This record gives sequence, structure tokens and C-alpha cells, in this order.
Amino acid sequence: GESVGLHLPTLSVQEGDNSIINCAYSNSASDYFIWYKQESGKGPQFIIDIRSNMDKRQGQRVTVLLNKTVKHLSLQIAATQPGDSAVYFCAEKGGNNRLAFGKGNQVVVIP
Amino acid sequence: DAGVIQSPRHEVTEMGQEVTLRCKPISGHNSLFWYRQTMMRGLELLIYFNNNVPIDDSGMPEDRFSAKMPNASFSTLKIQPSEPRDSAVYFCASSPKAGEQFFGPGTRLTVL
Repeated sequence: GESVGLHLPTLSVQEGDNSIINCAYSNSASDYFIWYKQESGKGPQFIIDIRSNMDKRQGQRVTVLLNKTVKHLSLQIAATQPGDSAVYFCAEKGGNNRLAFGKGNQVVVIP
Repeated sequence: DAGVIQSPRHEVTEMGQEVTLRCKPISGHNSLFWYRQTMMRGLELLIYFNNNVPIDDSGMPEDRFSAKMPNASFSTLKIQPSEPRDSAVYFCASSPKAGEQFFGPGTRLTVL
């Protein structure tokens, strides 16, 4: 997509290393959280989600950690690959069906 | 499953013209969302529908913007008249009940 880039926090990571992307959310009543990945020219793509009754969830090469005490969410990507280069958004959902998105973090994988 | 379908993928128009963006959600999903994404403001929710009924349109910037969902398989977002500051990528997303949102590829709108 057009969105993001110039004003985003950027994480540069060597291929094969692990990446950690952090997100602070705002609503203590949010009970559902999602990480999305957006590659250039595409829409956001679901990576992994977690509900507020959990503090960790693992997927394929990705792990999401939730710390409700400090309202913090993180995404860990193991063995980062060039295809992981993208903008990553966290999103939170409260009592309604709306998702509130963070500003995004740019990840650049160095071959 | 073809995913969320949006058309057109790109639209270039002149200020003052009417623009209509189209979206076909994933079959069986009962919620549909329209977002706008810009460098300055990020991803903003404009409006969302539940079972074809608009639930929250508080994100619609002004009266020039309108959205409809005449049936479960089709929605439109209309801008009339369009202005250069409307230039953005517009995404449609759909979700099943209480589930994750699936995004379409977006429509890149340029208003000259």
C-alpha cells in the first residue's frame, strides 16, 4: 500500500536473525489483538492473533506476547527471511467489532 | 476462495468528479469495513456494516463520502465531489462474526 514508510519506526535485521516488533495499545478493555503484515502494494494480511486471556501464542516462525499490565504487545519472528520485509501493524478490538490499528513498524531484512 | 475483491485497483480522476469504489466481501462474512490509508494518518476506519446495516460511520470524513451495502455480497464507497486530499489507498475488509478481518488489495485513488 501507499501508506507508510517515511515516518515509521524501522527495524533493520540481518537475514536469519530473530526480529522483535513492539506495540503499545491504548484500551485496557480490549480483549482481542491481531498482528497484520502489509507488503508494498498489498492489503494488510493476518499473521497471528491472541485473546486477552492468554499471554503467549505461537504460530509458524511467529510468536505474539501480550502483557496486559503495561498494555504491551510484541511480535517475534524467528529466522527472519527476505520475504518478511514489510510493515507490521498491531490492532486491538474492544467491545464492538472495530479494530484500532497502530501506526505500524517497517521491517527491513538485510540479505 | 477469491478473498475480498475490490475494483478498480487504480483510479485517477479530476477534482470535482464523482468516484465510486466497489467491494465484494468474502462469502459468508457478515461484517464489512471500509478503511483509508495515507502516509500521514495511517490506516483509518471510515465505516463498517454488520449484516448489511451501517453500524458506525463516525470515521467518514464529511458529507462528500457515502457508503452503501445493498446486499451481503456488494458494497460501494462514493466520494462526490472528490478533492485532491482524498487521494489515498482505500481498503475494504470483511470478517465473520467476531473474527479477524480479511483485507482486499485496495484501490489507489489519485485526485488531481
